[in-house]
Order: sequence, then structure tokens, then C-alpha cells
Amino acid sequence: SYELTQPPSVSVSPGQTARITCSGDALPKKHAYWYQQKSGQAPVLVIYEDDKRPSGIPERFSGSTSGTVATLTIRGAQVEDDADYYCYSTDSVGHLYVFGSGTKVTVL
Amino acid sequence: EVQLVESGGGLVQPGGSLRLSCAASGFTFDDFAMHWIRQPPGKGLEWVSGISWNSGNIDYADSVEGRFTISRDNAKNSVYLDMNTVRPEDTAFYYCVKDASSPSLILAPYFDYWGPGTLVIVSS
Repeated sequence: SYELTQPPSVSVSPGQTARITCSGDALPKKHAYWYQQKSGQAPVLVIYEDDKRPSGIPERFSGSTSGTVATLTIRGAQVEDDADYYCYSTDSVGHLYVFGSGTKVTVL
Repeated sequence: EVQLVESGGGLVQPGGSLRLSCAASGFTFDDFAMHWIRQPPGKGLEWVSGISWNSGNIDYADSVEGRFTISRDNAKNSVYLDMNTVRPEDTAFYYCVKDASSPSLILAPYFDYWGPGTLVIVSS
């Protein structure tokens, strides 16, 4: 099996910076992806291939990877960023498709 | 605009069967692999199954292998999930999801568009 480890929760004041980490042994070799899920809605892709932002995603969202840790950063967090965030990646051979357990980001 | 709309969820007894359907629009359906991903209420996401553009490559999570069957009909722009011998732990929202990386499932997938989901409850 393969696991991606995220902190259960992160709290941030509006306008401040939130950082969410995702740890996995294969991350030095495999891309990380990040999904935002607001209450009662389907997930939305906010970062792909470690650090790329899909069209329509605000610039305040950014991604990075260093060694076995991927990080999603929200600079100048807004109230509307209050959501669950999931990292996603694969094991070292690309056979297991795994989501992290999710991080609840509270902006208040 | 890409749209994915699931249907077929509902209440089913343990050991029973259910078929989920997903109608896709807004993109060239047979250019992309498709997936089902599930989420038990209040819990995290789990990839369930994927199918390549031509149904030539199919993959399942260990938790559903041998019980669930994924299929697609490119003429109808639709993908399906046949769920057999269901268990209470299969209770979840089931999302139909478009693959962003490859049509063939040769490359590890990632997912760019999700439907709103359909709820399956397995209970007696």
C-alpha cells in the first residue's frame, strides 16, 4: 500500500498565508496534485504536476515539492477558500492512485 | 463547457446490485479515459476504477475488484459502473471523473473534471 499524509486541519486569518503539506515516499519521483472541495460540492483541481495552476484558479494558489513533501500555499487567503484540500499522487511504479486524508482549512 | 452528470444512486441491500451511469458533454468523449472515484459521507476520496478511451485498458481498486465492472459507450458519451455484491462499506458518493493525463491509462492518471456525484447507500 501507499499513503500520503496531510495534517487534519489548518487555520488562517483572512489575508494571511496558509500552507498545507503532503508527505509521501514517492513524491521525489511522482507529481503531486491538489484538489479543493467545498462543503456539499465535488472536488476542483487547483494545482497539477506539482506547481501548475489550471486556468481560472486564482494566483494566490501555488504548489511546490521538496523531497518527500509537497506543499500547497494560499497567499492572502480569502473566506471563500474555506474548504477541504486533498493531495493526490501515485506510488513509485505508478500502479496505486492515492489521495491524502484531507486537510480542513478554516479561514476566519 | 465540460459537464458530467451521474445517475443511478440510491438505497440497495447488502449483497444487491446497482448500475451507475454518467452522461458526458462538452468535450470529445472518446479522446479521454474516464474514472469513478468515491467518497463515504464525511470521509476522504478513494479511486475506484478507470477505463481507457477504447475500453482496452481497465483497472480497479483492490477493494472492488471482482465485484464492480466499469464500461463505456462512446456512441452515447456515457460511462457506467455495475456494482454487484455490494457491502455497507461501499456506501459513498460516487463521482464520474474525466482523466486529464492520457486516453489509454498507460500513464498514471490525474483528474480535471468531476461530476456532482450520486449517493449510494448500502443498508438493510
